[in-house]
Amino acid sequence: DGGITQSPKYLFRKEGQNVTLSCEQNLNHDAMYWYRQDPGQGLRLIYYSQIVNDFQKGDIAEGYSVSREKKESFPLTVTSAQKNPTAFYLCASSIGGGPNTEAFFGQGTRLTVV
Amino acid sequence: KQEVTQIPAALSVPEGENLVLNCSFTDSAIYNLQWFRQDPGKGLTSLLLIQSSQREQTSGRLNASLDKSSGRSTLYIAASQPGDSATYLCAPEKLVFGKGTKLTVNP
Repeated sequence: DGGITQSPKYLFRKEGQNVTLSCEQNLNHDAMYWYRQDPGQGLRLIYYSQIVNDFQKGDIAEGYSVSREKKESFPLTVTSAQKNPTAFYLCASSIGGGPNTEAFFGQGTRLTVV
Repeated sequence: KQEVTQIPAALSVPEGENLVLNCSFTDSAIYNLQWFRQDPGKGLTSLLLIQSSQREQTSGRLNASLDKSSGRSTLYIAASQPGDSATYLCAPEKLVFGKGTKLTVNP
């Protein structure tokens, strides 16, 4: 099946720890995105990448880091510098980074700080 | 900076009703607008993508319209069913989303 796979589905982190969320796609899409969703809120963009080895900060990049070493993978690291990391994280991809292309989403990872 | 507003924030209707969800955006210089559905605890499912050159897009019981000049889009759901219950989000560009309309269709 073609699609976007996020893992794990649930993740628990102790304060002060870094954690990495996985996002893999087999759609052969060039562009990938990370969003954060808080209860009752829309999605806010953390980082996006339009091509391998290149990525840009979104509106709320502080406390997060990403890499794009392979076309199909775009992992997100939530660092200890992120003050309020408990949220639902969504990964998306599109065939290109241009404005005309449709975005497709994974099923999300729920991160909880304990 | 693009800002997106969705009205109403929540809507509860009886089964069978036709309904309209509204999306407004501040920057009309967009290339497309996408409507999504989100079930609780799940990711987003793409429903419709309207290109800026189009005024409407239809898929089954769903019809979305786009009026760039006024900064508005509407999602029309015909003959609503309980299975339509979800949160519906619009995104005039991939990078900016509204907060969504939570729809409940009662049997």
